[in-house]
Amino acid sequence: GIQVEQSPPDLILQEGANSTLRCNFSDSVNNLQWFHQNPWGQLINLFYIPSGTKQNGRLSATTVATERYSLLYISSSQTTDSGVYFCAVDDYGQNFVFGPGTRLSVLP
Amino acid sequence: ETGVTQTPRHLVMGMTNKKSLKCEQHLGHNAMYWYKQSAKKPLELMFVYSLEERVENNSVPSRFSPECPNSSHLFLHLHTLQPEDSALYLCASSQEWVQRGYTFGSGTRLTVV
Repeated sequence: GIQVEQSPPDLILQEGANSTLRCNFSDSVNNLQWFHQNPWGQLINLFYIPSGTKQNGRLSATTVATERYSLLYISSSQTTDSGVYFCAVDDYGQNFVFGPGTRLSVLP
Repeated sequence: ETGVTQTPRHLVMGMTNKKSLKCEQHLGHNAMYWYKQSAKKPLELMFVYSLEERVENNSVPSRFSPECPNSSHLFLHLHTLQPEDSALYLCASSQEWVQRGYTFGSGTRLTVV
């Protein structure tokens, strides 16, 4: 089945810093989604982005499907950005395959 | 509130108990999913229902029994669980399979003692 890798596994930032999270996948995908899981376990959909670039406030994402990767950019990070960021892809199957996540800690 | 509601938020149960987790979606989606998230492990798909029919069961032990009475409700019935079943159980829904993306509930944090 399709493999999903995320890097880095852990990231510690000072508030106000920028960061880039990466998701690599091993095969062609139909869809790709970025999620943020907050410290209470809630998974929030950030972007539905099978290709191209999207922006939402301080967050933006780019997926280059032909090169099998996606990037999530966080600018001017805030402590509320802390949590785990997951990338999930659909390989034309019946469900998403989740990556292992990037754990982000933003320090005040 | 994401449109997918899970209850209870927390559950502690003994290994001989029987309990049920509930998920309700208010988004008009036609597919619902149960995921298990254990510590330091990726999310694991447990069950998929589309149009109230089960279409995927990823070799989940029979002590987990799903039920989908209609497109808005999904249950996970639990019986004779083991301590290693302690985890966060997440429900998700989508429209037209995954083509429009997933929406997750807040999860039920289960502890088996």
